[in-house]
Amino acid sequence: GENVEQHPSTLSVQEGDSAVIKCTYSDSASNYFPWYKQELGKGPQLIIDIRSNVGEKKDQRIAVTLNKTAKHFSLHITETQPEDSAVYFCAASIVGGGNQIYFGTGTSLTVIP
Amino acid sequence: DTAVSQTPKYLVTQMGNDKSIKCEQNLGHDTMYWYKQDSKKFLKIMFSYNNKELIINETVPNRFSPKSPDKAHLNLHINSLELGDSAVYFCASSQGRTSGPEETQYFGPGTRLLVL
Repeated sequence: GENVEQHPSTLSVQEGDSAVIKCTYSDSASNYFPWYKQELGKGPQLIIDIRSNVGEKKDQRIAVTLNKTAKHFSLHITETQPEDSAVYFCAASIVGGGNQIYFGTGTSLTVIP
Repeated sequence: DTAVSQTPKYLVTQMGNDKSIKCEQNLGHDTMYWYKQDSKKFLKIMFSYNNKELIINETVPNRFSPKSPDKAHLNLHINSLELGDSAVYFCASSQGRTSGPEETQYFGPGTRLLVL
């Protein structure tokens, strides 16, 4: 099955700086890559996703990049704010291959005011 | 109104007991899921139901049994609770009859289970 690795496990940045979280996946058939944000005491929420036919996608301060050849994808948060502090999960799945999403191990991001 | 709700929010119980966690979604979605999140925050899918039919059943002990009385509800019953069952359990739902993984999954607030 798919194996998703995520780094770093913890990340601290100063407010206003950028944060980058990196993930790799093992199954070359994976073609859908969502990112979820989990705030303390809450369930994960989808913040952005990317499909394998796209190399980059941006939504305001967050962007995702995908390198299919290298089987890795990254989340970039610019101009970080304290409310960006949360646990972020990358995930990979195969569209049309069932409903299963394979999650990474999570990155705990702390934005220091 | 809460889109995906779970009860109870906290559950503290003794080893060997049987307990249930309830999940309801008011989004009109066809697919519902149960995930387990351990102390290291690792999220692992346990079950997925599409329109009351089981479609994903990961390797979990058969002490865990999901029940879907209708497509808006997916309950999780756990028999003979063990210490290792302590975790946060999340219910989620997604739209669509085929509900491929590209369908956004909406998560509930979680049920924090502690087995003593």
